[in-house]
Amino acid sequence: KQEVTQIPAALSVPEGENLVLNCSFTDSAIYNLQWFRQDPGKGLTSLLLIQSSQREQTSGRLNASLDKSSGRSTLYIAASQPGDSATYLCAVRGFGGQNFVFGPGTRLSVLP
Amino acid sequence: DVKVTQSSRYLVKRTGEKVFLECVQDMDHENMFWYRQDPGLGLRLIYFSYDVKMKEKGDIPEGYSVSREKKERFSLILESASTNQTSMYLCASTLSGSYEQYFGPGTRLTVT
Repeated sequence: KQEVTQIPAALSVPEGENLVLNCSFTDSAIYNLQWFRQDPGKGLTSLLLIQSSQREQTSGRLNASLDKSSGRSTLYIAASQPGDSATYLCAVRGFGGQNFVFGPGTRLSVLP
Repeated sequence: DVKVTQSSRYLVKRTGEKVFLECVQDMDHENMFWYRQDPGLGLRLIYFSYDVKMKEKGDIPEGYSVSREKKERFSLILESASTNQTSMYLCASTLSGSYEQYFGPGTRLTVT
């Protein structure tokens, strides 16, 4: 059964720092991996989707990489801003099913 | 832009009541999902549907049922609400192929 973990559970950084969030999964046979952002009390906002054939995706200050063989993905946030403060979740989808498995999230605080 | 809407942001119901949560998406997506999110437990899949009138149980279907009479609408039903169903309920949809998930804003349900 697929399991997804995220390290660290929480992170606090000063504004302007570059940072990396980690996502690990136990079964490398994935269809895709998606990174989300969730603000308190709100739904999930899609940030980046990486298909299994891709190594990375970029959107603005965000870059997500995927290494299926090692079961890892990283989300790189450049020049962090207080508005980036949120919980970041990753989710993987396997083959042959519709289900996504979510990680527990990393709670990020960017201090002004 | 894909839009997923949920009927209520906040809902308070009494134990034993029948509760309907509705989700509507406007992008002709085939797949729709209902999750609940609880502190320390993350997102857990309740039910999903890959077509009109089709449904599949997720990880925690007990105490819930669903209805999908039209492609754009997916309803979650709590037949007899209980206090342990107090949670944040999140609806999502995906297009077959990319399987990129889009989430609604969530419904915070409190059962007293």
